[in-house]
Amino acid sequence: DAGVIQSPRHEVTEMGQEVTLRCKPISGHNSLFWYRQTMMRGLELLIYFNNNVPIDDSGMPEDRFSAKMPNASFSTLKIQPSEPRDSAVYFCASSLGLDEQYFGPGTRLTVT
Amino acid sequence: QKEVEQNSGPLSVPEGAIASLNCTYSDRVSQSFFWYRQYSGKSPELIMSIYSNGDKEDGRFTAQLNKASQYVSLLIRDSQPSDSATYLCAVNTNTDKLIFGTGTRLQVFP
Repeated sequence: DAGVIQSPRHEVTEMGQEVTLRCKPISGHNSLFWYRQTMMRGLELLIYFNNNVPIDDSGMPEDRFSAKMPNASFSTLKIQPSEPRDSAVYFCASSLGLDEQYFGPGTRLTVT
Repeated sequence: QKEVEQNSGPLSVPEGAIASLNCTYSDRVSQSFFWYRQYSGKSPELIMSIYSNGDKEDGRFTAQLNKASQYVSLLIRDSQPSDSATYLCAVNTNTDKLIFGTGTRLQVFP
């Protein structure tokens, strides 16, 4: 079975540019989570969706970040404009219900 | 006080020994507890989940939960160098979100 799929795996961009990260959850899972991981702050939940509806976006750092889930098999996390402090690894995870979460391989974002 | 606390380590154990990883949490109503393993440069991988007090065994791994004392632990028997990784404790709070600890780095030396 395919796991969670994320693209791109690596993204290098300049400050001020728009960045879009993509995620395809495991088929049949109804919850999707976006996390950010840095050495300083560890693994932080940014937002999660249940049945394609955003439930909690309190972890989204500021208005520059937005996330969508137009259907059960696709989600995007967008940063506009990007800043150097956004450099991190961004993970998408999915679960059936809200318990055991399975992570994708992550997108390593570098903003110069 | 952090919601989920772990000793950052590194915890160094010789090959073949038992590695004991501990985690404490602050929310008394937490119901679900998970251990993830994360190799350097990789994503977290779910290795154990536990929901009720006591022990749960899966191969060389045993998760232990004590809700009264608000701690959960992971024992790895017969530790192997391939077990060297960061182990993340995660707790599902009453807000339906997983809160992760900062992880304990385990080093198993030959």
